[in-house]
Amino acid sequence: QKEVEQNSGPLSVPEGAIASLNCTYSDRGSQSFFWYRQYSGKSPELIMSIYSNGDKEDGRFTAQLNKASQYVSLLIRDSQPSDSATYLCAVSAGGNNRLAFGKGNQVVVIP
Amino acid sequence: NAGVTQTPKFQVLKTGQSMTLQCAQDMNHNSMYWYRQDPGMGLRLIYYSASEGTTDKGEVPNGYNVSRLNKREFSLRLESAAPSQTSVYFCASKGAKDWPLHFGNGTRLTVT
Repeated sequence: QKEVEQNSGPLSVPEGAIASLNCTYSDRGSQSFFWYRQYSGKSPELIMSIYSNGDKEDGRFTAQLNKASQYVSLLIRDSQPSDSATYLCAVSAGGNNRLAFGKGNQVVVIP
Repeated sequence: NAGVTQTPKFQVLKTGQSMTLQCAQDMNHNSMYWYRQDPGMGLRLIYYSASEGTTDKGEVPNGYNVSRLNKREFSLRLESAAPSQTSVYFCASKGAKDWPLHFGNGTRLTVT
């Protein structure tokens, strides 16, 4: 079983719509959860971090965490063409000493 | 601030050649990491160093060695490069207690 699973294929959304991304993880001891955005040819950049159950909002981004279901999600409201990128879910593992990443989801915002 | 600096940015090797990827951070971070990224595979951890003087294997350590030279520097060595090691390599670091990871700009390595 992969430590972090992101199973959805590329996601195309119209400009102004909501993009929804999901991620599951296997280690019940994980404490820290992150979403990174990566533009083609660039390094990942952190956009959201979440550490406790519930929702966390930052501008147009909302992260949701459900530790009982081992599930993390990211909502992008009012999607813009500049949001077109690959989004990586990352979860702390190994006693919180390392980050495990999912394969990523490509988001394409259509003007 | 420079943050995490990786050198070189690009490298082409022939099968069997060796090379060392360099990484340095100026944020006084304790922990440093090497990841590789291949199309459709996300980021996979090669090795990490939770603190100066320690190193641990990650998910895909075979064919690599690392050295935590001091608190600032963490190098990744390919002793005998193989085409399967063609990838983009990212170095990252974090502080003693807090995430997140801070990434370098990556090294694009091609092994022919």
